Amino acid sequence: DAGVIQSPRHEVTEMGQEVTLRCKPISGHDYLFWYRQTMMRGLELLIYFNNNVPIDDSGMPEDRFSAKMPNASFSTLKIQPSEPRDSAVYFCASSFVIAGVLTDTQYFGPGTRLTVL
Amino acid sequence: EDKVVQSPLSLVVHEGDTVTLNCSYEVTNFRSLLWYKQEKKAPTFLFMLTSSGIEKKSGRLSSILDKKELFSILNITATQTGDSAIYLCAVEAEIQGAQKLVFGQGTRLTINP
Repeated sequence: DAGVIQSPRHEVTEMGQEVTLRCKPISGHDYLFWYRQTMMRGLELLIYFNNNVPIDDSGMPEDRFSAKMPNASFSTLKIQPSEPRDSAVYFCASSFVIAGVLTDTQYFGPGTRLTVL
Repeated sequence: EDKVVQSPLSLVVHEGDTVTLNCSYEVTNFRSLLWYKQEKKAPTFLFMLTSSGIEKKSGRLSSILDKKELFSILNITATQTGDSAIYLCAVEAEIQGAQKLVFGQGTRLTINP
């Protein structure tokens, strides 16, 4: 398996522009997580999905952030409008269930480094 | 190829024991090493280490980095059942001006009462 795939790997944009980050989880994984990594805050959970349905989005910083999972193999995280303080590395991770119970091993993608000027 | 290797992969001890988790790495342009505690949902940040030989401590947890030998250890003393989790080590490296975070496979720690 190719693992979790994220694109783009790097994104540089200007303040006010819309940014869309993409993630393809590992095939067969039921859970998908979006994280943001900054030097100041470390790794923060933004939102996670189970079977394409958003379960907990309490970590989404504000209304400028939105995430969708239209099918089991694709998710997007959108920032509109973007601001310089959104600059960070955004990770996507996926996980799976065994006998109906979420395992505690998450497989991380390589991340997307976002720079908002 | 950048890599982070943790050992052991799994560890089972009794409450009150002391445990040491290991993390070795090979990355280009090392910037920092981070330890996380992974429970059901999101990893919880524990420590960030950037300098060799300086121990970081938080309660019963402590960690130290050796940049010459390229490894770090995470110690937990007087373990409790609530310490049961997967402990992730990640190394931040700079690749052509971009930040890259490489995770180890994790150590699954189980504390039995």
